[in-house]
Amino acid sequence: GAGVSQSPSNKVTEKGKDVELRCDPISGHTALYWYRQSLGQGLEFLIYFQGNSAPDKSGLPSDRFSAERTGGSVSTLTIQRTQQEDSAVYLCASSPSGTGMISNTEAFFGQGTRLTVV
Amino acid sequence: RKEVEQDPGPFNVPEGATVAFNCTYSNSASQSFFWYRQDCRKEPKLLMSVYSSGNEDGRFTAQLNRASQYISLLIRDSKLSDSATYLCVVKGNQFYFGTGTSLTVIP
Repeated sequence: GAGVSQSPSNKVTEKGKDVELRCDPISGHTALYWYRQSLGQGLEFLIYFQGNSAPDKSGLPSDRFSAERTGGSVSTLTIQRTQQEDSAVYLCASSPSGTGMISNTEAFFGQGTRLTVV
Repeated sequence: RKEVEQDPGPFNVPEGATVAFNCTYSNSASQSFFWYRQDCRKEPKLLMSVYSSGNEDGRFTAQLNRASQYISLLIRDSKLSDSATYLCVVKGNQFYFGTGTSLTVIP
């Protein structure tokens, strides 16, 4: 498809289980971002990829959270030993570049993964 | 200090009203500026980019004041369909999102 694709769209998991969220960015977009949004709250930055490297992962809330990106394309966000406070919508966005050239381009969002930890 | 600060509102305005949102940003080296719109339970989508000279798109006008480091969005003749959360976005090394301003347009 032409847009950012995230899967699954919904995930219900038991507390303590691991989950893996996937983001397929727009083809050719080198920058990829993960955000988290709790109900009624703003976007919380998690991590930013430029290609396969992560220049900024300062937003990851704990060492239970990790993310990787391979081949400069698909990214996975993994949450280990999920807790109830991890329940949120996890949004992925991509853009043609991070810094520098073509800096006026926007970020395009996927529809998000709604994670519920019970 | 947050990179981008916005008044969260909520703003409740009657149809036809003019409403203005402001936001401030902390990094003077920021390169690009945007307003995004987010509907309930949906992902954010670009409303408009903000250019140094100011720009208009129909009923929407965006302005940037680099000296004071603030960005504004003016919505004229509000419609019911304008009800949403409006996110101020600043791009430096990455995208920085404000927490959003909630707008409800009342019949």
